[in-house]
Amino acid sequence: GESVGLHLPTLSVQEGDNSIINCAYSNSASDYFIWYKQESGKGPQFIIDIRSNMDKRQGQRVTVLLNKTVKHLSLQIAATQPGDSAVYFCADPLNRDDKIIFGKGTRLHILP
Amino acid sequence: DAGVIQSPRHEVTEMGQEVTLRCKPISGHNSLFWYRQTMMRGLELLIYFNNNVPIDDSGMPEDRFSAKMPNASFSTLKIQPSEPRDSAVYFCASSLRHMNTEAFFGQGTRLTVV
Repeated sequence: GESVGLHLPTLSVQEGDNSIINCAYSNSASDYFIWYKQESGKGPQFIIDIRSNMDKRQGQRVTVLLNKTVKHLSLQIAATQPGDSAVYFCADPLNRDDKIIFGKGTRLHILP
Repeated sequence: DAGVIQSPRHEVTEMGQEVTLRCKPISGHNSLFWYRQTMMRGLELLIYFNNNVPIDDSGMPEDRFSAKMPNASFSTLKIQPSEPRDSAVYFCASSLRHMNTEAFFGQGTRLTVV
């Protein structure tokens, strides 16, 4: 029979455009978040992190925004490249209450 | 540093057999994590160690699963007896200090139990 797998939200973006990937978290006490990128056949790789005393942090072509009021994170990738195609996870590594460390992920497709 | 090293990369075994997955964390890291990734459940934390001591094993699915860290440079995840539903990719990760920093992941072990 058909297997029901984890349905990953998918975002398709034209190469060179900007992309925004969103993530909601549940624990209002969480104060540290990480974005990871996972390419096919590889383990997750750290992209950027943010602590709750900040609402924005920038890296190279990436920006993370944190809205503690609505418990929401976003990852913005500027000028997307083919190598940005991957699954992106937000992680709440200190969330020990419900053991949900990683979000379910978003698959980013970069269109030529 | 070569990063987190896991072995084997692929493992195919028959139901009922014992499976041992191995991990060498990054030198100097004092926290080590074992994760399991499946299509059904995503990425799940099974257990983590801090300074070689298991801190939280509540993610370990059943008594068939056990993990050890005999020293700072080596950890094993054992499944005995293995079942088809254990088929997944198992990742080991290490970090400098506890959960409050980025974790560096290995390439994973793809386990298939037939």
